[in-house]
Amino acid sequence: AQSVTQPDIHITVSEGASLELRCNYSYGATPYLFWYVQSPGQGLQLLLKYFSGDTLVQGIKGFEAEFKRSQSSFNLRKPSVHWSDAAEYFCAVGATGGYQKVTFGTGTKLQVIP
Amino acid sequence: EPEVTQTPSHQVTQMGQEVILRCVPISNHLYFYWYRQILGQKVEFLVSFYNNEISEKSEIFDDQFSVERPDGSNFTLKIRSTKLEDSAMYFCASRLREGNYGYTFGSGTRLTVV
Repeated sequence: AQSVTQPDIHITVSEGASLELRCNYSYGATPYLFWYVQSPGQGLQLLLKYFSGDTLVQGIKGFEAEFKRSQSSFNLRKPSVHWSDAAEYFCAVGATGGYQKVTFGTGTKLQVIP
Repeated sequence: EPEVTQTPSHQVTQMGQEVILRCVPISNHLYFYWYRQILGQKVEFLVSFYNNEISEKSEIFDDQFSVERPDGSNFTLKIRSTKLEDSAMYFCASRLREGNYGYTFGSGTRLTVV
């Protein structure tokens, strides 16, 4: 069964600092991988996704993620964080077969300090 | 960009009452899903629906839950007799076809059972 681990429950960074959110997945084949962002009380917004090809994926709002098969990781990065990036971030893995349900990690809550 | 629309955005219901959450998937999509997020927890898969039948469901999706696509445009989740623990954000999602290229989430319905 597929699974996702986000080891950091809560991260605090200063505005303007770089950011890396960790994600490790477990899946028997090459997975579909996603990062979603959720502001309090809001829905899920897709930041970026990986299906195949270039392992460095660019997303919206200046985010990028790198798929590393050898490490089963899909870490999210941003070179300079803005106060508006404060939110909860979810990594997710999608099955490539069957009816392709998505399994989410437990999320990382990002706090941005001035 | 096409959206998945969910109504209402927030619903309050009394314990034991039936509730129907409504979703309008993207018009040419073929696969439909419901996910649930209890406050402060991760997003969990409930059910997938394809070709007018349930294709996969989780252990959460017990006999109190049902889904329906009554008219070719709406996709509903019914909870027959709500419990306090059903309070959560419910997300609808839809997908075009094989591959997760068109996997889109709605903005969610927050269900509060009192």
